[in-house]
This record gives sequence, structure tokens and C-alpha cells, in this order.
Amino acid sequence: KNEVEQSPQNLTAQEGEFITINCSYSVGISALHWLQQHPGGGIVSLFMLSSGKKKHGRLIATINIQEKHSSLHITASHPRDSAVYICAVPPAAGNKLTFGGGTRVLVKP
Amino acid sequence: GAGVSQSPSNKVTEKGKDVELRCDPISGHTALYWYRQSLGQGLEFLIYFQGNSAPDKSGLPSDRFSAERTGGSVSTLTIQRTQQEDSAVYLCASSFPEPGLAGVRPYNEQFFGPGTRLTVL
Repeated sequence: KNEVEQSPQNLTAQEGEFITINCSYSVGISALHWLQQHPGGGIVSLFMLSSGKKKHGRLIATINIQEKHSSLHITASHPRDSAVYICAVPPAAGNKLTFGGGTRVLVKP
Repeated sequence: GAGVSQSPSNKVTEKGKDVELRCDPISGHTALYWYRQSLGQGLEFLIYFQGNSAPDKSGLPSDRFSAERTGGSVSTLTIQRTQQEDSAVYLCASSFPEPGLAGVRPYNEQFFGPGTRLTVL
């Protein structure tokens, strides 16, 4: 069993739809990172969170430390949201990240 | 301010040649990480630097891979005698120091560069 698992692996949505990506982890963590990777390969950090919920624009990230689960939500999705979304977790102490397999999101106009 | 930069953005090389990939971290970030993403695969850790030393090299896949960092800033990842399976996107990230050294938070956010896409023919 992978230490960090994401679901779904692939997701296709129509523009305007609400999207949810899930991340479950089995290791003890101090925080969780949501990353966005565009087709060119570059990675952008979306959120780093250790509890509760964070919102940035149309993106919302939540984490439940007890259940070892995090979700990334995209509201009113847009074709420019098409990307691979990756969750990453460091260990309880330290910075060495373990990555989920990524969720490939395609938003159709 | 400037983010993490990497060069070249794309590199095509022939099997057996050596390549060097460069990473310029964010100024003031003493921790630097190299990751690799092979085609169709997830991201994997290669090596971590704190200052100029590399306390964790556990992810380097073979002795053909090496990395160095000078002046606590720029890092170079060198792949000798490249093989086709080395084709991947190589990503660099930087952050403030790992906890236990100078940090007070349990995790310091890593900032990623745009990556270098390496193709070995």
C-alpha cells in the first residue's frame, strides 16, 4: 500500500462543475501540500495546511488529521484548471516529501 | 522576488553522454531538494542539501547520478553516461532549513522550480 494515495487518478468535468480530489495518507505528518502541475511540467504550490481548511480563490483545501485525509475542491471549474494535482506529505519531522500519484483533471468548455 | 530557477528547461542528449542540470534556489533558502518525474510516474525524491552538504542522498538511483552545491546556493545535478531510462523531468525545490537546525515549525514549505525535461535518445 502506498503511503500517499490519491483518487481519482483521472477526472473529466464540464466547465462550471464542482470538482473534488481526495488524498489519504498512512504516515504521520506535520502538514500536507497540494501542488498543481501544468502540462509543461512546472509545479506550483497551491496550499500547505496542517489543520482545518484553507481557501484561495476558487480552490478550497481541507484536512482531517485524525482520519488522515485531505480534499482539494475546485468550485466553478474552468478549462484553465486542467492540470495534474498532486498531494505531498512530509514526515512528522523533516522536509523529505512523499508524493501521491497525482490526479489528472480535464475541464471541458 | 525571484523564485527557484532551473536550466536548461529542455535537454536532449544521446545515450552515453554526460549532462549537467542546474538549480538556483530562492535567496536565503538553505535547504535544496532534487526530485525526478519519469514519464507516467509520480514524483520521486533524489537528494537533499542543507547548505553545501547532502545529509540525504537516498533517492539517487545509481552511482551515475551525483549532485553538488556550492556557496550554499546553486546546485548542479550531474548524470554520467546517460541511459534512456534517465529521461524524465528533473525538479528542484528550496526551502528554509529543516526543523531541528534553525526552524521552529515542523515543516518548511518547499518552492518548486519549473523543471528540466531531459530526453535521452
